[in-house]
Amino acid sequence: DAGVTQSPTHLIKTRGQHVTLRCSPISGHKSVSWYQQVLGQGPQFIFQYYEKEERGRGNFPDRFSARQFPNYSSELNVNALLLGDSALYLCASRFSQGYGYTFGSGTRLTVV
Amino acid sequence: RKEVEQDPGPFNVPEGATVAFNCTYSNSASQSFFWYRQDCRKEPKLLMSVYSSGNEDGRFTAQLNRASQYISLLIRDSKLSDSATYLCVVPPGSARQLTFGSGTQLTVLP
Repeated sequence: DAGVTQSPTHLIKTRGQHVTLRCSPISGHKSVSWYQQVLGQGPQFIFQYYEKEERGRGNFPDRFSARQFPNYSSELNVNALLLGDSALYLCASRFSQGYGYTFGSGTRLTVV
Repeated sequence: RKEVEQDPGPFNVPEGATVAFNCTYSNSASQSFFWYRQDCRKEPKLLMSVYSSGNEDGRFTAQLNRASQYISLLIRDSKLSDSATYLCVVPPGSARQLTFGSGTQLTVLP
C-alpha cells in the first residue's frame, strides 16, 4: 500500500517565482495537512483540508494557498518566493480525528 | 509560554542506557498526544500515541500527566538505531492540526 507521496522531492527556485507542490494521501484518507519545517525546528502548520474544504490555516502570509481535489490529493502554492521560504514542506494525511498523521517524505525547496 | 516546549538536548547516551524526554504543553483542552521520531533529513514518523495516562510499546513508554500538563517518553536499553530527533506533538482542542515541539536530539553512542 502506497504511503503519502509528494512531488517533486527537491526544487530550486529564485526569489519572486511561484511554486506548486503536490501531495497524494494514503488511500482512504480524506484529511490532508501541510507543514513547513526549517532546519533545526519542528514542523509548523500551514493548512488542513478535509473533504476539499479548508479546515484550518496556520500563521502564514496570503502568498501561501492550497486546495484539495475530489480524489483527496492536494496542492500547496507559494507565490512571490522569499529566501526565508526555503524549507522542507511536508504533507500529511490521516484517516480521521484521533488518529496520528502519516507524513510524506517531503519536498525540499531552496529559494536562491 | 510556548504551546509545546521540549528540551532540545542533545542527549548523548551509551548503548543500553535508559533515557527520558519531557514535553510541556499549554492547552489544557488537548486530549490526545503523539511522539514522532525524525531521522536526519527525513520525514517525521509516528512513534507512539498517548490518549490516557500512558502507553507502552516494547522499550518505549509514554506517560501523560494532565495536572502538570506534560508528557514524557522513556526509552529503555537504548540502541544505536534510536539515534534521531524526537518530536512531541500536541493537537489543540479542535484536533485539526498538530503543534510540534522543536524536538529533542538523541545520539546513542557505541
